[in-house]
Amino acid sequence: GQNIDQPTEMTATEGAIVQINCTYQTSGFNGLFWYQQHAGEAPTFLSYNVLDGLEEKGRFSSFLSRSKGYSYLLLKELQMKDSASYLCAVRDSDTDKLIFGTGTRLQVFP
Amino acid sequence: EPEVTQTPSHQVTQMGQEVILRCVPISNHLYFYWYRQILGQKVEFLVSFYNNEISEKSEIFDDQFSVERPDGSNFTLKIRSTKLEDSAMYFCASSPRQGGQETQYFGPGTRLLVL
Repeated sequence: GQNIDQPTEMTATEGAIVQINCTYQTSGFNGLFWYQQHAGEAPTFLSYNVLDGLEEKGRFSSFLSRSKGYSYLLLKELQMKDSASYLCAVRDSDTDKLIFGTGTRLQVFP
Repeated sequence: EPEVTQTPSHQVTQMGQEVILRCVPISNHLYFYWYRQILGQKVEFLVSFYNNEISEKSEIFDDQFSVERPDGSNFTLKIRSTKLEDSAMYFCASSPRQGGQETQYFGPGTRLLVL
């Protein structure tokens, strides 16, 4: 079966660091994506991991451990505009389709 | 920067009516997808399309759904006889190739409301 778990909601303070975890159990794996989605808008690409380790992109970093079926998205120096849902998605190895988690709604407070 | 576009942004229809949702993928992309997101729920894969045929479809994509690439730029999703439970945001996505670091680029979505 296909299962991707993320916390439903998180809160954090402006300027802080937050880590959003994602665990997955999928029948195939060809990379893990993180997307940001503001309410009523399309998902926008943040990061991609296919090998174990950390990928850094400015204020955003993403980590993957394939053996543990685990990833996290790290957001540093939080800004109010970072308030959004963050979607973890695994790309299926056979079909290339994206399998999404339910998303983590992050609220950043001043 | 090139982007995926979708029309209409909102569609309200009566149960049992046909709807066609339109997408213009990024011009050099070859792989096309439809996803849907029911309000408050996760994004779900519907169908993928390559080389003028469906490559994969989900259980949701039953015979009420069809996709078409009628010309070199448009990619459409048709729902023949809408049901209340088809109310959702429908996202089109495109990708230049499969695999690798290439992500799927999502359009802004069409919000469909079936009454």
